[in-house]
Amino acid sequence: DTAVSQTPKYLVTQMGNDKSIKCEQNLGHDTMYWYKQDSKKFLKIMFSYNNKELIINETVPNRFSPKSPDKAHLNLHINSLELGDSAVYFCASSQAGGDNEQFFGPGTRLTVL
Amino acid sequence: GEDVEQSLFLSVREGDSSVINCTYTDSSSTYLYWYKQEPGAGLQLLTYIFSNMDMKQDQRLTVLLNKKDKHLSLRIADTQTGDSAIYFCADGSDDKIIFGKGTRLHILP
Repeated sequence: DTAVSQTPKYLVTQMGNDKSIKCEQNLGHDTMYWYKQDSKKFLKIMFSYNNKELIINETVPNRFSPKSPDKAHLNLHINSLELGDSAVYFCASSQAGGDNEQFFGPGTRLTVL
Repeated sequence: GEDVEQSLFLSVREGDSSVINCTYTDSSSTYLYWYKQEPGAGLQLLTYIFSNMDMKQDQRLTVLLNKKDKHLSLRIADTQTGDSAIYFCADGSDDKIIFGKGTRLHILP
């Protein structure tokens, strides 16, 4: 059973398109995160949701909009994709409380042409 | 498959040095990382070391890498209460990054 899953695993698209990446966790966690991994493999947090409410929103362009239909899902929608959006995006989840272990999804490699 | 292992808990007295250890299995690692997770926050990159280096020092932090034994350690000198957090070791190679389960550092007064 996959604990944190992301779809798709690979996404190749043209500049200017709108795309979504889905994340689901079956761990019963209350908190979910989106990270962007840059070219040096550094993870930078983008968003965090707790029980469907946004609690962390780092400096991310407005073109990125997280959507949490329920606490097991946190989807990332990106409008008007740009070349610089090409990266690997990781979803993660943890129990509420802030200092609990995070479980990561396998990542989605987004390539913008 | 590749794996990253680290102990789950560490308790250290304030002012002492903390040493958090990590072992990994991937032979093709490019970078090895230490991330810190404070309460209510996401992961923040603390420091990293390129795989052809043995040591990296950054203020109170010292990273040691033994590539032969695939062992990475993070030493925090003069540990403060603000260092209380979970520390994740991670192994980056090619297109993937693999995280350990995190070591919870508890500071004793």
